[in-house]
Amino acid sequence: DTAVSQTPKYLVTQMGNDKSIKCEQNLGHDTMYWYKQDSKKFLKIMFSYNNKELIINETVPNRFSPKSPDKAHLNLHINSLELGDSAVYFCASSQDNNSPLHFGNGTRLTVT
Amino acid sequence: DQQVKQNSPSLSVQEGRISILNCDYTNSMFDYFLWYKKYPAEGPTFLISISSIKDKNEDGRFTVFLNKSAKHLSLHIVPSQPGDSAVYFCAASTTSGTYKYIFGTGTRLKVLA
Repeated sequence: DTAVSQTPKYLVTQMGNDKSIKCEQNLGHDTMYWYKQDSKKFLKIMFSYNNKELIINETVPNRFSPKSPDKAHLNLHINSLELGDSAVYFCASSQDNNSPLHFGNGTRLTVT
Repeated sequence: DQQVKQNSPSLSVQEGRISILNCDYTNSMFDYFLWYKKYPAEGPTFLISISSIKDKNEDGRFTVFLNKSAKHLSLHIVPSQPGDSAVYFCAASTTSGTYKYIFGTGTRLKVLA
């Protein structure tokens, strides 16, 4: 009964491929996020969705396209993968902007 | 431009002693602050938070102090335990703004038995 679950945990792929990461939360939260942790360990926000609507797009290349089919799911699709996309991607959720984020365990993406 | 900074990348403390982790921020609009703990291969786990209307919040062994004039917050862990060894991130947000939590770069705490 993991609160925020994301799959896969590891993803190794070649440059130019398209891949997706899935995220689901069972906390009943209204807002979901994607964060990227790069090689320097910075945790940077990429996207935020509130009730299936995009509210933050933090100047992420349009090769990255989030999709929120419902409040409990926020998937991340990445087209034409590049070496620089290698990172750990974390999904998170929160009830509102005055509440803590709850994170998934991350997806380690390696682009070769 | 890093709005939330943790200037100490690592810290070692003896078991039973106090651990003090520091965080500075530059944006005076931040009014909600959080600390997270992260073990390897896991996501960050929420520890404790503080609103800007307070200067201290305590939860068991964890206390967060906020100094708004200095734009500084700290996390005190006492007594420190080996299981506290992890990377600690501070984060900040503006509750009146968009849903955007800005994280520091983390401090790796090692508690020595």
